[in-house]
Amino acid sequence: GAVVSQHPSRVICKSGTSVKIECRSLDFQATTMFWYRQFPKQSLMLMATSNEGSKATYEQGVEKDKFLINHASLTLSTLTVTSAHPEDSSFYICSAEDRGRDHGYTFGSGTRLTVV
Amino acid sequence: EDQVTQSPEALRLQEGESSSLNCSYTVSGLRGLFWYRQDPGKGPEFLFTLYSAGEEKEKERLKATLTKKESFLHITAPKPEDSATYLCAGGGGSQGNLIFGKGTKLSVKP
Repeated sequence: GAVVSQHPSRVICKSGTSVKIECRSLDFQATTMFWYRQFPKQSLMLMATSNEGSKATYEQGVEKDKFLINHASLTLSTLTVTSAHPEDSSFYICSAEDRGRDHGYTFGSGTRLTVV
Repeated sequence: EDQVTQSPEALRLQEGESSSLNCSYTVSGLRGLFWYRQDPGKGPEFLFTLYSAGEEKEKERLKATLTKKESFLHITAPKPEDSATYLCAGGGGSQGNLIFGKGTKLSVKP
């Protein structure tokens, strides 16, 4: 089945530094990828939609200069959290859309970001 | 406004005790109603997609059904390994994305 690989699975960084999270579709091409954020005991909240070769579309309230998204190829999207602060600590999950399959949305395993 | 509401928030069952989880949805341009299972610290794992009212799908002890306003995930004779958070999502959104409910945390005790 469709596989989406997300790395790293866990990262701890200091306040003020930047962290890059990668999301790769391994056996299909993903023209569209989605980035979600999940707080404890909450559901997934869409942050942005990433389209290959074009600028990402951010949801209301999400700072595009803080959460940089790059979707340079049909199999790779990256999310960079810039100048991280403790309040950015969360679980980040990517998803890729594969319209050729019944379950069109496949998720990565998530990245636990802790900013200290 | 697009919205997906799941109930109950948490459900505790004894092994073998069947039950159902509810998902009510209002999603414009719905392209599908999705069910996922999420284990702690993991990404959602796909279970089912339902596309039209009256549709049913089964997988092992799980069966998903769909009406025009809600979906149910029926769990028959659950086992402890079925313990997880079950997420319901409407596909469609303004970006073609999934709109998630808050999930139902299921605990099955032996």
